[in-house]
Amino acid sequence: SAVISQKPSRDICQRGTSLTIQCQVDSQVTMMFWYRQQPGQSLTLIATANQGSEATYESGFVIDKFPISRPNLTFSTLTVSNMSPEDSSIYLCIGMNTEAFFGQGTRLTVV
Amino acid sequence: QQPVQSPQAVILREGEDAVINCSSSKALYSVHWYRQKHGEAPVFLMILLKGGEQKGHEKISASFNEKKQQSSLYLTASQLSYSGTYFCGTERNQGGKLIFGQGTELSVKP
Repeated sequence: SAVISQKPSRDICQRGTSLTIQCQVDSQVTMMFWYRQQPGQSLTLIATANQGSEATYESGFVIDKFPISRPNLTFSTLTVSNMSPEDSSIYLCIGMNTEAFFGQGTRLTVV
Repeated sequence: QQPVQSPQAVILREGEDAVINCSSSKALYSVHWYRQKHGEAPVFLMILLKGGEQKGHEKISASFNEKKQQSSLYLTASQLSYSGTYFCGTERNQGGKLIFGQGTELSVKP
């Protein structure tokens, strides 16, 4: 199994600013993904973080708003840009070989 | 295409059984099951690959009917610790993305 460290665990940010969330895996994983989860809701896939190339975004999510990096097989970042209150959510990093391993999540509040 | 879970919520007494279903409109490579407790990240329970297999994990087991593109999670003799939200996640291709169902909230009462 893999252990995923995600930080920050929570933050309160001003609208119009940006926040970068980091995800570090203790071993190599084939796939890394970024999800968003509203309280009491399911997990919505934002994008697949591709090593060394541009991320693959799901419908409704764009690179300008959610730039993602994955420089190697164990690290990825997600930036939430030009934040608005609608971006308040829990952001989760997932590493996956066969099964998925979750980061602890980042609880973001935009005021 | 998000898989559909049913029921949306279930309340049990300790020792009772429950079944949670997960259906997809598309052919699947695998179905994953996760449990999430309030305020925590989801935790992996099991994965079922196409080929129509069944798996067990303590008193929790699951089946995957590839033809029907359905999976069911069986919880027997439920314990208080089983409470949480259960999510199925589906992969259409090996190494593909994981799409989660809307979740089933399970509450086990003493």
